[in-house]
Amino acid sequence: QLQLQESGPGLVKPSETLSLTCTVSGDSINSRGYYWGWIRQPPGKGLEWIGSVYYSGSSYYNPSLKSRVTISLDTPNNQFSLRLSLVTAADTAVYYCARTPDRGMANDFWGQGTLVTVFS
Amino acid sequence: QSALTQPPSASGSRGQSVTISCTGTSSDVGGYDYVSWYQQYPGKAPKLIIYEVIKRPSGVPDRFSGSKSGNTASLTVSGLQDKDEADYYCSSYAGSNNFVFGTGTKVTV
Repeated sequence: QLQLQESGPGLVKPSETLSLTCTVSGDSINSRGYYWGWIRQPPGKGLEWIGSVYYSGSSYYNPSLKSRVTISLDTPNNQFSLRLSLVTAADTAVYYCARTPDRGMANDFWGQGTLVTVFS
Repeated sequence: QSALTQPPSASGSRGQSVTISCTGTSSDVGGYDYVSWYQQYPGKAPKLIIYEVIKRPSGVPDRFSGSKSGNTASLTVSGLQDKDEADYYCSSYAGSNNFVFGTGTKVTV
């Protein structure tokens, strides 16, 4: 059974870079036909797609965040990562990692989520 | 890209049906048959319940159904049960390997 698990600091200071890792078990992130992505949810608010990395290594980002986001694969460790620079309080959210098959274009497996608070 | 528009809330009695709309544009909902729906309980990760507009993943009851007309997609939950009380989000492929979520709807039974 596929499992995804987010990890990383729960507190980040304003203007610094948020870094999270998603560890995948039960499948290889090299498997053809999958995107591996990040979605966030500010407290009490809705979901926002941050971006995805394709199994080939190509990355795609939400235009509103594109200048600050990097998503990449770490194939040897079967992980993928998120880096979000110049964070502000508006970036406080639960961050989820998820898998998206390119056949259905829907997030079929999710991590449990991790709360990241931007706090000075 | 702007968030897809959903009603903030919807409600129905046990056994009845409720339908949630998800309105986008011709660049997302209307342009692709890649609309998906997610169910989320408080403090939990979303769960996929509908993909490609009308398809259900294995294990999702057929009480959940999806449809689309033009730039608006819909989720119908039939035979409402207490456990259907949750937040529901739509999502659509928006071209160029981009995705967009809906604003979310809280369903009350």
